[in-house]
Amino acid sequence: GESVGLHLPTLSVQEGDNSIINCAYSNSASDYFIWYKQESGKGPQFIIDIRSNMDKRQGQRVTVLLNKTVKHLSLQIAATQPGDSAVYFCAETTRLGTSYDKVIFGPGTSLSVIP
Amino acid sequence: NAGVMQNPRHLVRRRGQEARLRCSPMKGHSHVYWYRQLPEEGLKFMVYLQKENIIDESGMPKERFSAEFPKEGPSILRIQQVVRGDSAAYFCASSPRSGAHSNQPQHFGDGTRLSIL
Repeated sequence: GESVGLHLPTLSVQEGDNSIINCAYSNSASDYFIWYKQESGKGPQFIIDIRSNMDKRQGQRVTVLLNKTVKHLSLQIAATQPGDSAVYFCAETTRLGTSYDKVIFGPGTSLSVIP
Repeated sequence: NAGVMQNPRHLVRRRGQEARLRCSPMKGHSHVYWYRQLPEEGLKFMVYLQKENIIDESGMPKERFSAEFPKEGPSILRIQQVVRGDSAAYFCASSPRSGAHSNQPQHFGDGTRLSIL
């Protein structure tokens, strides 16, 4: 069935280094992808999104890369800071009919930043 | 510009009682989604509602669980005769629209943590 999976459930990074969080999706019909950050005790917070007609999008310190050939999504965080410690979820959007885009979340990757 | 508001933040119920979780979407958002999250796990879709309509309830258990989004007021997720296994964090999200080519991210509340004694 449809699923979104992450290669690494946990990731530890030294402060100041770059972080890369990976995500594999299985539905080639998915056309919109989102990364969320969830801090302890809070709800997921939107970070960045990308449409399937793009392969790269940059935000502030974050970059999302989309490789549709291998159905792979990644989130790169530059100069990782302690405040980046959180669980990161990727999500894919699949169109169901003409009226509903269903969002499927991956299992998440826990990022720990070592001071 | 208030975000998605959920209340209560924490809810404790005894087995067999009813739990009511409320969600007020962001201003201008007419689409509401409910998710369930167990500790150290991802978000599991439960139900998607528009005003007065349930669009997709494929992730919601057939018994004891129900959801509504009335014309006026917040969306309500109701769990009847709660059991220990219902203990989880329940998140609500909203979006201004959904549908082909919408490309609109969902915005989440901070959840209700339900504990069943």
